[in-house]
Amino acid sequence: AQSVTQLDSQVPVFEEAPVELRCNYSSSVSVYLFWYVQYPNQGLQLLLKYLSGSTLVKGINGFEAEFNKSQTSFHLRKPSVHISDTAEYFCAVRAGGGADGLTFGKGTHLIIQP
Amino acid sequence: DGGITQSPKYLFRKEGQNVTLSCEQNLNHDAMYWYRQDPGQGLRLIYYSQIVNDFQKGDIAEGYSVSREKKESFPLTVTSAQKNPTAFYLCASSTRAYNEQFFGPGTRLTVL
Repeated sequence: AQSVTQLDSQVPVFEEAPVELRCNYSSSVSVYLFWYVQYPNQGLQLLLKYLSGSTLVKGINGFEAEFNKSQTSFHLRKPSVHISDTAEYFCAVRAGGGADGLTFGKGTHLIIQP
Repeated sequence: DGGITQSPKYLFRKEGQNVTLSCEQNLNHDAMYWYRQDPGQGLRLIYYSQIVNDFQKGDIAEGYSVSREKKESFPLTVTSAQKNPTAFYLCASSTRAYNEQFFGPGTRLTVL
């Protein structure tokens, strides 16, 4: 079984500052990793994914993440945040291939302060 | 436009009543999923289906039931056996090839 730990439940950041949202996972097999964003009372939207290949993954809205196998981490970064980035961010993992469900972290609430 | 539809957006029921949440997709995806979201808990998998007429229990299946009679549809029934049904319910779908899941807008169920 796999698990995901999002180390911060809330991250307050000033507008135009950089941000990093941390995610660590545990799994006994190879994994696929995802970051999703959720705006209030809405579904989840995929920001980016790591399936294989380059460990630096670029996503939508200027976000990127780096897969670090030795540290079992997949931290999400953005060099300059905007007020519209205020949302809940979820890290998720799936073991191997197939169509099993995702295992999610508990989420990080990103709060952008003007 | 292709996507996932969940209805209704808000649902109120009395305690002890069964209720069915709808999920429809026109993405031609094989796999469909139901998740439950509670504040501060992330998403937890209830049931998933990789193919028509077949489904598997997720981590918190007790008190829920599903059917998958058509590729496009995966309704979830919250039964009276579910002890704490008030939550936000999200439906998702995926192809095996891409692995990522696409989510619907969710249904917020409140049991009074």
